[in-house]
Amino acid sequence: AQKITQTQPGMFVQEKEAVTLDCTYDTSDQSYGLFWYKQPSSGEMIFLIYQGSYDEQNATEGRYSLNFQKARKSANLVISASQLGDSAMYFCAITAGGTSYGKLTFGQGTILTVHP
Amino acid sequence: GAVVSQHPSRVICKSGTSVKIECRSLDFQATTMFWYRQFPKKSLMLMATSNEGSKATYEQGVEKDKFLINHASLTLSTLTVTSAHPEDSSFYICSASLGGWKSDTQYFGPGTRLTVL
Repeated sequence: AQKITQTQPGMFVQEKEAVTLDCTYDTSDQSYGLFWYKQPSSGEMIFLIYQGSYDEQNATEGRYSLNFQKARKSANLVISASQLGDSAMYFCAITAGGTSYGKLTFGQGTILTVHP
Repeated sequence: GAVVSQHPSRVICKSGTSVKIECRSLDFQATTMFWYRQFPKKSLMLMATSNEGSKATYEQGVEKDKFLINHASLTLSTLTVTSAHPEDSSFYICSASLGGWKSDTQYFGPGTRLTVL
C-alpha cells in the first residue's frame, strides 16, 4: 500500500515570494510516480507536475518545481513568485505498482493562502 | 492538458431517488476512468476504477450495488447513485487517463456536488 503525508494543513505566503509545500511518501514499490494537483475553491483538480521515481532530475513546470529527495522519500512542491491566484488546496499523490497500478493515493492536502 | 467534463455540476434530489453522473473525456480516449468522493476540506477517496468494456473494480468498503458504474465507451463513464440518502451527499469527481499506467497523468473533471434531502 502507498501512503502520502502532508504535514502542513495551512500555509501563508506573501505575493511574489516563493513557498514550499511538504510531501513525504511511503511505498514498497521500486517504481512509482508522484503528482501534485491544485484544487481551487471551485472544486476542479488541476494537474501541476509529475515526477517519476527513476527520473534523475527534479521536475519543473513553469513556476512549479518538485524537490525530489528519494532517500528521504520526500517530494516537496516549490512555487516561485506566488500569485494571488495560487490560493487553493494542494494535494500530493502517488501511484505505484501491484494491485494499486494506476491508482492515485492522495495526501490530506495543504491550504495555501497568498497575501497581497 | 486533456479535458474531462462532468454533468451535472450540481444536483439536489429527494431521499430514495437515483442520480446519474456522467464523466466524459472530450479530446482523448480514456481506457481507464476513476471515480472519487470528497468531503468538505478533506482528501479525495477513490471509490472505483472503471475500464472500458469491463466491470468496474470497487475499493474496499464501497457498495457496488449502491454506486453503479458503467464505462460504455472510451469517452464516457457514468456513476449512478441508487436510492440516495442524505449520507450520500458529497462531492463526486471523476478522472481519466490514457491507459491506467502509473506514469499516466489523471485528468479530472470539474466535479459534481450531490445534495440529498
